[in-house]
Amino acid sequence: AQSVTQLGSHVSVSEGALVLLRCNYSSSVPPYLFWYVQYPNQGLQLLLKYTSAATLVKGINGFEAEFKKSETSFHLTKPSAHMSDAAEYFCAAGGTSYGKLTFGQGTILTVHP
Amino acid sequence: DAGITQSPRHKVTETGTPVTLRCHQTENHRYMYWYRQDPGHGLRLIHYSYGVKDTDKGEVSDGYSVSRSKTEDFLLTLESATSSQTSVYFCAISDQTGGSYNEQFFGPGTRLTVL
Repeated sequence: AQSVTQLGSHVSVSEGALVLLRCNYSSSVPPYLFWYVQYPNQGLQLLLKYTSAATLVKGINGFEAEFKKSETSFHLTKPSAHMSDAAEYFCAAGGTSYGKLTFGQGTILTVHP
Repeated sequence: DAGITQSPRHKVTETGTPVTLRCHQTENHRYMYWYRQDPGHGLRLIHYSYGVKDTDKGEVSDGYSVSRSKTEDFLLTLESATSSQTSVYFCAISDQTGGSYNEQFFGPGTRLTVL
């Protein structure tokens, strides 16, 4: 069974600092990988997705993620954090069986002025 | 934004009562999913549908049933609600392009409290 692990349930950064949110997946076959963002009291919004076309994936709001097969990782980064980035972020894997996804536990990002 | 609505958006009910949550889409997507979100657990799949009247269980299906009689509607029923089913419930939809599954689009969620 597939599993997704997000290291760190809470990450705190200063405005303008690098954002790094970690995600590791377990699968013998590289799955499709996704990052979603959830703002308070809202549904999930797709940030970016990896579907084997390119290992470096660019998403919305300046975020990007790099797929590293050797490390089974798909970490999310943003060079400079903005106050509006404060939200909960979810990594997800799957999409090969009826489109089903397995989600990580989520990481709450706090951005300090 | 994908056309997905969920109703009700908030509900408070008592233990032992039946509850039905509705997900409605206007995108004509084939696949629909129900998740529950709990702190520390991310989102967990309850049930999913791959077509009208075609449904299957997900990771946490005990105590839940679903029905899909039309492409646009996917109903989640708690036959006899328990306090452990207090959660936020999300519906999602997706489709296929060229044989590959596309990303899922999520509804706004339903906050259910079982007293």
